[in-house]
Amino acid sequence: GAVVSQHPSRVICKSGTSVKIECRSLDFQATTMFWYRQFPKKSLMLMATSNEGSKATYEQGVEKDKFLINHASLTLSTLTVTSAHPEDSSFYICSARTGGTNTEAFFGQGTRLTVV
Amino acid sequence: GNSVTQMEGPVTLSEEAFLTINCTYTATGYPSLFWYVQYPGEGLQLLLKATKADDKGSNKGFEATYRKETTSFHLEKGSVQVSDSAVYFCALFTYNFNKFYFGSGTKLNVKP
Repeated sequence: GAVVSQHPSRVICKSGTSVKIECRSLDFQATTMFWYRQFPKKSLMLMATSNEGSKATYEQGVEKDKFLINHASLTLSTLTVTSAHPEDSSFYICSARTGGTNTEAFFGQGTRLTVV
Repeated sequence: GNSVTQMEGPVTLSEEAFLTINCTYTATGYPSLFWYVQYPGEGLQLLLKATKADDKGSNKGFEATYRKETTSFHLEKGSVQVSDSAVYFCALFTYNFNKFYFGSGTKLNVKP
């Protein structure tokens, strides 16, 4: 199946710094990418949906200025957590769709962010 | 609105037991339905899918049938293995909203 690579898999940063997470579709063009946040033993919370070349659509309650999403190409989307705080510590997962009639999404491996 | 409800876990079974994880949904339009599996510390992997009513998705011994009349997509496996221990998510995708809706996840523990 299609492969989505997410990097880094783990990152520890200090409060107040920014962290960038990359999500790449390795063998297909992703017209739509999704960013999720997952709390321990909980389901995935959709943060935003991004389409290549356009601004991301954020879910209600997600701060646009804190979680910057860029989908600059059909194979790359990035999530930047700005001015990170300990409460931003979480597991972040991206997924990508090829679009059209193919409805399935392929997921990255996830990034464990710890803010100290 | 769109939503997915799946049975609470954890589900604990002995090896070779029969597995059922219930999933029901509400949706506008005609969603596609999925089961994803998540192993500890990893992202989600597609297990199986069905895109229209009466379709049966199957993979690695797992099966689920898209039942429009009962709005269900229950996951079944005839004989589970220890390696099936993971968290299973039921999900739907709608074109209308171009996004996925996930259930809360069901943790499966299979004991030898």
